[in-house]
Amino acid sequence: DGGITQSPKYLFRKEGQNVTLSCEQNLNHDAMYWYRQDPGQGLRLIYYSQIVNDFQKGDIAEGYSVSREKKESFPLTVTSAQKNPTAFYLCASSRRGHTDTQYFGPGTRLTVL
Amino acid sequence: AQSVTQLGSHVSVSEGALVLLRCNYSSSVPPYLFWYVQYPNQGLQLLLKYTSAATLVKGINGFEAEFKKSETSFHLTKPSAHMSDAAEYFCAVRWAGANNLFFGTGTRLTVIP
Repeated sequence: DGGITQSPKYLFRKEGQNVTLSCEQNLNHDAMYWYRQDPGQGLRLIYYSQIVNDFQKGDIAEGYSVSREKKESFPLTVTSAQKNPTAFYLCASSRRGHTDTQYFGPGTRLTVL
Repeated sequence: AQSVTQLGSHVSVSEGALVLLRCNYSSSVPPYLFWYVQYPNQGLQLLLKYTSAATLVKGINGFEAEFKKSETSFHLTKPSAHMSDAAEYFCAVRWAGANNLFFGTGTRLTVIP
């Protein structure tokens, strides 16, 4: 079955540590996205990538980094510079030029202690 | 500034009652409009989308939404709520010329038996 996988589902880290969230898709989609979800704030775009080896900052990119070395993978690193990293992180993908229909993974809940 | 607003962060309805979730956008140029649903601890799933064809859009699970340009609205409705409709619903827009979706803050729907 095609889809998007995010691992792990729950992640705990100590303050000051970098952490990388995994996102893999086998939908053959060119575009991939990372969102952060906080209660009462909806989804906010962190980074997106329209094609391999290219990515752009979203609305809240500070304190985050990404890479897109393979079409199937778009890992997100939450760095120690991110002031409030505890949140629910959602990865999505879409066909290139079809931003409207995004397919979402199940999410990773990151808690920084 | 362009924005998308969902009125009511929480809505409760009785099983079998009408569901009405509100979404308004601020723009002189109608954007593309979407409704996504998020079940607990899951990613988002596209319910329906308006892309300048028919103003009444039918989606999955019996939901529909009507685009009203004069009211800059895209409210989501379902004639009869089912327990399985309990979830969080997000209105999203893609502004003309933009490559990404912008999400509202979400409305959590509770269905009372």
